[in-house]
Amino acid sequence: QVQLQESGPGLVKPSETLSLTCTVSGGSITDYYWSWIRQPPGKGLEWIGYIYYSGSTKYNPSLKSRVTISLDTSKKQLSLKLTSVTAADTAVYYCARDEAGQLHYWGQGTLVTVS
Amino acid sequence: EIVMTQSPATLSVSPGERATLSCRASQSVNSNLAWYQQKPGQAPTLLMYGVATRATGIPARFSGSGSGTESTLTISSLQSEDFAVYYCQQYDSWPLTFGGGTQVEIK
Repeated sequence: QVQLQESGPGLVKPSETLSLTCTVSGGSITDYYWSWIRQPPGKGLEWIGYIYYSGSTKYNPSLKSRVTISLDTSKKQLSLKLTSVTAADTAVYYCARDEAGQLHYWGQGTLVTVS
Repeated sequence: EIVMTQSPATLSVSPGERATLSCRASQSVNSNLAWYQQKPGQAPTLLMYGVATRATGIPARFSGSGSGTESTLTISSLQSEDFAVYYCQQYDSWPLTFGGGTQVEIK
């Protein structure tokens, strides 16, 4: 049973960097893509980007200049960094296992407030 | 990027009735379309992919159809646990994009 768990600060100041970690358990981290998705309170879903176990990445152009996704296969963790945050970056952030664009497994999500 | 539009925004349905949710893409996504269900305070869960393939453990009352730019999710007989928000998502091209969601509420 694949499980994902996001962790990180729940409050970030404007202009600072948001940093989150997603820990994967119950399955391999290799051979898959791993995505980050976010959802502002009361709104819809926005894909942030993915990382492949090889280290290759792809980001949403709307966030590309501010986003970095990395992977530590030894710890089975993926990380998200989003720089220069504003109130518009307040959202629940999810990690998910990405199978050719299908998001089969999701973490429970973590709310990050920028204030 | 491909823009996904869902309709209606809210659907009021009585338990046991049929619900039909629509999703339109700004260009063809071929069969690269998924549906997700999200309940309050929970992460989305994958319902359908490839337009019409149910994800693991999804009951047969959920079905998907469509092609190109138009897709439909049908819930044949709504159960109490089906009242939720439903999102469509295309994975034909990057960035992945989602529709705005349809809230299925109790009539």
